[in-house]
Amino acid sequence: DVKVTQSSRYLVKRTGEKVFLECVQDMDHENMFWYRQDPGLGLRLIYFSYDVKMKEKGDIPEGYSVSREKKERFSLILESASTNQTSMYLCASSTGGMMNTEAFFGQGTRLTVV
Amino acid sequence: QKEVEQNSGPLSVPEGAIASLNCTYSDRGSQSFFWYRQYSGKSPELIMFIYSNGDKEDGRFTAQLNKASQYVSLLIRDSQPSDSATYLCAVNGYSSASKIIFGSGTRLSIRP
Repeated sequence: DVKVTQSSRYLVKRTGEKVFLECVQDMDHENMFWYRQDPGLGLRLIYFSYDVKMKEKGDIPEGYSVSREKKERFSLILESASTNQTSMYLCASSTGGMMNTEAFFGQGTRLTVV
Repeated sequence: QKEVEQNSGPLSVPEGAIASLNCTYSDRGSQSFFWYRQYSGKSPELIMFIYSNGDKEDGRFTAQLNKASQYVSLLIRDSQPSDSATYLCAVNGYSSASKIIFGSGTRLSIRP
């Protein structure tokens, strides 16, 4: 079974802190994604990566950066956390290719910025 | 215009009836289309994917794709209370084949 593991289930951080959310997948998938989910807004794509060290902005990249130094690991970085970044963060991975395949999700990290 | 649009609901359907969920997308070159189900407090899980125009059936679920009209739908036959969840439509982007964009989801409630 594909496993996507996020480092924390719940996080509470202070405004202005630098926050790291980690995600690891064990199926050698080329693509990895970070989404945030807020009530009524669905899943919004923050960043995605289609290869090691390769990344593309999603729909809401402002205030975030990402790092993919190894194929299995994709990190989301909040440079200076703000209260409007309080949300559920979901990491996902999928195989590569033009005909995209199923995205497998981690369990989510509920981040609260106070 | 949002890239993927869904009616947020809630959609209430009696047990045993057919639930019909709809989704439209803006990128005409999109190739892959997905329906995910998400229970409250859980992560999304794939129900079906479809690549070609027409219908694709899997048990009680049927996905329908019409690329000319840029819509994809999901039919759930013989709806069960366990089908109550939020259903998310997802589309891959043609300009970036790796990019997967989700709609905001439709909340479905099956009433006994």
